[in-house]
Amino acid sequence: SQKIEQNSEALNIQEGKTATLTCNYTNYSPAYLQWYRQDPGRGPVFLLLIRENEKEKRKERLKVTFDTTLKQSLFHITASQPADSATYLCALGRGYSTLTFGKGTMLLVSP
Amino acid sequence: SAVISQKPSRDICQRGTSLTIQCQVDSQVTMMFWYRQQPGQSLTLIATANQGSEATYESGFVIDKFPISRPNLTFSTLTVSNMSPEDSSIYLCSVGDTGWNEQFFGPGTRLTVL
Repeated sequence: SQKIEQNSEALNIQEGKTATLTCNYTNYSPAYLQWYRQDPGRGPVFLLLIRENEKEKRKERLKVTFDTTLKQSLFHITASQPADSATYLCALGRGYSTLTFGKGTMLLVSP
Repeated sequence: SAVISQKPSRDICQRGTSLTIQCQVDSQVTMMFWYRQQPGQSLTLIATANQGSEATYESGFVIDKFPISRPNLTFSTLTVSNMSPEDSSIYLCSVGDTGWNEQFFGPGTRLTVL
């Protein structure tokens, strides 16, 4: 069955540093991979989508890479800020079908 | 984009009772999804609800336990029936449409079953 692994341990970094989160998957060939942000008590919010034929996608301070050979995506937040503290979820999908989510990694950015 | 609201935001219910959760969208959408998120776990898809057709349930979820209605393109309900403490969770609805890839989520309903 499909399996998505995200680091279950919280990532603690200092403000201004680059945060790097990892998403690994097995038994799946996604057409695209998405990253969402979830704050406590709220629903996930879409951040970025990267397709299987794309290596890298950027949006402001965010960068996502997608390696379909390694079955891995890396999510980077540069110049991190305390406001970036949240749980980040990766999700895999094909077409307009359903998404499969990872458990998420909590990011804590200290001032 | 779409703005989604859910009612109730939270509830505490007794074992054996049922709760209906409402999901309202500010625009017409093709697909609505219902998820469950248990503490420390990922979002687990319960079912997909498209207007005019029966909901499609994921493995491990059945219509008798989680009946869903989708009367129009902006509204859906999920009922959690004959609840037990194991049903305590956050229930989220989300929406998607052809031409989109991302989903937009509601704020969730936090359910506690005693």
